[in-house]
Amino acid sequence: DTEVTQTPKHLVMGMTNKKSLKCEQHMGHRAMYWYKQKAKKPPELMFVYSYEKLSINESVPSRFSPECPNSSLLNLHLHALQPEDSALYLCASSQVTGAGSYNEQFFGPGTRLTVL
Amino acid sequence: AQSVTQPDIHITVSEGASLELRCNYSYGATPYLFWYVQSPGQGLQLLLKYFSGDTLVQGIKGFEAEFKRSQSSFNLRKPSVHWSDAAEYFCAVGPGGRRALTFGSGTRLQVQP
Repeated sequence: DTEVTQTPKHLVMGMTNKKSLKCEQHMGHRAMYWYKQKAKKPPELMFVYSYEKLSINESVPSRFSPECPNSSLLNLHLHALQPEDSALYLCASSQVTGAGSYNEQFFGPGTRLTVL
Repeated sequence: AQSVTQPDIHITVSEGASLELRCNYSYGATPYLFWYVQSPGQGLQLLLKYFSGDTLVQGIKGFEAEFKRSQSSFNLRKPSVHWSDAAEYFCAVGPGGRRALTFGSGTRLQVQP
């Protein structure tokens, strides 16, 4: 299985809602990533988990809360979001051994988030 | 800090014509280089990668790229473009270790019939 899956595909939420995005991979990768992508822009890194521990937080507001419950799953909990948080949220995973392995990332299809 | 420049925001080619997408990088050591493709509303698919060795790398869907250290470039090429190649193309660089990818701003490819 060489796929990263993300659910839901689309999410519409109000600014007072709490919701979660889910990402799953079964490639045995021990690094997982959340990116945010605005229209016509490249992905921007938000968080990196390595061996289920948060290793990078790119100064993301606390209304985004990541969680890595096990080596296959990555969640992004959302609370009190703003309209400007509307974007495509991409999950990726990679190995952690071998030359360049951290960088050869496999991406999921993304969750299209709209905040009203 | 590493950076990636994709000078062409938008390119239009005719179906069957050849394609070259430009990518220039800035990094102090030997970089790890990647090309990804993204169809509208979709995730990113890895086309090819360069870590070391042969500077001409072959990828999926008939794409290839050439690493030129002297020019700090990693241009993507395809000899004959198909309508299904219309998409956004991102060049990315990674320094290895725990830091994640740095992406270029992307090049949108349109294919005319």
